Amino acid sequence: AQRVTQPEKLLSVFKGAPVELKCNYSYSGSPELFWYVQYSRQRLQLLLRHISRESIKGFTADLNKGETSFHLKKPFAQEEDSAMYYCALMVIQGAQKLVFGQGTRLTINP
Amino acid sequence: DADVTQTPRNRITKTGKRIMLECSQTKGHDRMYWYRQDPGLGLRLIYYSFDVKDINKGEISDGYSVSRQAQAKFSLSLESAIPNQTALYFCATSGSSGGETQYFGPGTRLLVL
Repeated sequence: AQRVTQPEKLLSVFKGAPVELKCNYSYSGSPELFWYVQYSRQRLQLLLRHISRESIKGFTADLNKGETSFHLKKPFAQEEDSAMYYCALMVIQGAQKLVFGQGTRLTINP
Repeated sequence: DADVTQTPRNRITKTGKRIMLECSQTKGHDRMYWYRQDPGLGLRLIYYSFDVKDINKGEISDGYSVSRQAQAKFSLSLESAIPNQTALYFCATSGSSGGETQYFGPGTRLLVL
């Protein structure tokens, strides 16, 4: 069965420190993965997707099929990065739909 | 993204009451979705619709029903609300191509007493 696991519900780091939000997935097909972010009092929005292979707001994520992971990384955290982050997997079972992880609340301390 | 709107934004209701949450979009997307968000559980898919004549159950559809009145409108109903349906509800839309980004509404916070 398809599943997305984000093992950390809460993550707190200091400003300027590196950040890594973990995401592991389980899926028998070819995975397509996303990171969505929800800032305080804002709606959920796409941060990045693995097929784009781009860096958004300094964040990158590499798909590792061997480890079935799609960890989100940023070398130097900023206070405005504090938010809720969701990893999501596109599942194709007749129709396409997203399966979300449980989310990680990231707090950047000054 | 103001192209996806939800009404109401907040609602308090009592157990057993019928309630409808509405979602409208001006993005011209065919696909619409309803999710609920609970702390520690992330977002879970309730129902989704790939066009006006297509309605599909998600992983937690029990206790909910939907109506796709038009391409731009997708409503979620709780026929007889219960306290464990207290949650934050999100509507989302996406285009028809494979792997399209989903665009989310601002959410409706529902409290069932």
